[in-house]
Amino acid sequence: EDKVVQSPLSLVVHEGDTVTLNCSYEVTNFRSLLWYKQEKKAPTFLFMLTSSGIEKKSGRLSSILDKKELFSILNITATQTGDSAVYLCASGAGNNRKLIWGLGTSLAVNP
Amino acid sequence: DAGITQSPRHKVTETGTPVTLRCHQTENHRYMYWYRQDPGHGLRLIHYSYGVKDTDKGEVSDGYSVSRSKTEDFLLTLESATSSQTSVYFCAITEGQGMDTEAFFGQGTRLTVV
Repeated sequence: EDKVVQSPLSLVVHEGDTVTLNCSYEVTNFRSLLWYKQEKKAPTFLFMLTSSGIEKKSGRLSSILDKKELFSILNITATQTGDSAVYLCASGAGNNRKLIWGLGTSLAVNP
Repeated sequence: DAGITQSPRHKVTETGTPVTLRCHQTENHRYMYWYRQDPGHGLRLIHYSYGVKDTDKGEVSDGYSVSRSKTEDFLLTLESATSSQTSVYFCAITEGQGMDTEAFFGQGTRLTVV
């Protein structure tokens, strides 16, 4: 059965800390790995990864994919209170291009 | 803002009544999706559409139907609402084929079935 597992489920840090969020996947016919940020409303797209070892970066956020070990990480450096959110990971799989979602990591950044 | 609007944003309805949620987009994207989000389950695909009058089932389609008579509108109908359909419903659109590309989500509809 296809599955995506995120860890930790929740995390509390102080402003300025660096955090690493994990996403492991077991899916048939892997196509892509996507990260979204959800702040009490709609998920917003962060990254899509398809190639192993190539870092995607946007400001203080970065992500990388390891297709051999079947996981991805999302790094956030110098965290701010505005980074508080649920971070969702999803894997595109199969010939019908379905998406398998993880349960998310809830990040709280305290001042 | 990807130009995607859901209505209503909140609704309380009684068990057994039909309910229709609307998703409207201004992006002229071909692909539209309905998801529900529940604690412990994450996002689950209900139905999706790949064009006007072209729809298909997702993983949790029982009890739901959809229609797409215009590119910009994708309607989700709960034929006879049950308490298990209490959830937050999200509409999403993609420019390309399939959800495994960048998707834009609506703001969600919180539905409570009492």
